[in-house]
Amino acid sequence: DGGITQSPKYLFRKEGQNVTLSCEQNLNHDAMYWYRQDPGQGLRLIYYSQIVNDFQKGDIAEGYSVSREKKESFPLTVTSAQKNPTAFYLCASSSGTGTLSEQYFGPGTRLTVT
Amino acid sequence: SQELEQSPQSLIVQEGKNLTINCTSSKTLYGLYWYKQKYGEGLIFLMMLQKGGEEKSHEKITAKLDEKKQQSSLHITASQPSHAGIYLCGAATWGGTASKLTFGTGTRLQVTL
Repeated sequence: DGGITQSPKYLFRKEGQNVTLSCEQNLNHDAMYWYRQDPGQGLRLIYYSQIVNDFQKGDIAEGYSVSREKKESFPLTVTSAQKNPTAFYLCASSSGTGTLSEQYFGPGTRLTVT
Repeated sequence: SQELEQSPQSLIVQEGKNLTINCTSSKTLYGLYWYKQKYGEGLIFLMMLQKGGEEKSHEKITAKLDEKKQQSSLHITASQPSHAGIYLCGAATWGGTASKLTFGTGTRLQVTL
């Protein structure tokens, strides 16, 4: 059963703590992405990766870090430097075939920081 | 930067009625994606359009991209309660092996019985 999994679905943290969100895909996709969704706003791109061991900042990368050590995994760390970390985080992947390709999303992780 | 405006922001239709959602870009679109989202869940891919004048259909949903590639519409025929949710359009702003998407704020659709 191919797809993108994100865990956990809900995550609660105290302010000042770093937290890592998991994203795994078994679609054999080269490209992976992290987006953030806030109420009343569209999704905003945090980081993306075209290939293993390579990633680029998106529009709102400050306070976040990523790694891409394996093709199927693209974890996102929300650091204490992120001023407003409470949000719904979505991971996505695409085949990266060299042309525009379909981008599929995981079920999301809702992070609440108090 | 690419900006996408969706209209209407929300829509309530009676079951069986047709409806149209629009997505307008401030720049020429390289590609346009349509997604559906249930509250608190991930995005479900509906369709991707790339060529001017392109039209795609899936079941009762049809999406079109205008010839100038600055506006797209999503049309639902004979709406059903299962069509309820938030519809998002996303514009591809980069090609190559990864496509960065810029999203509109969404259209919330309710279908009444």
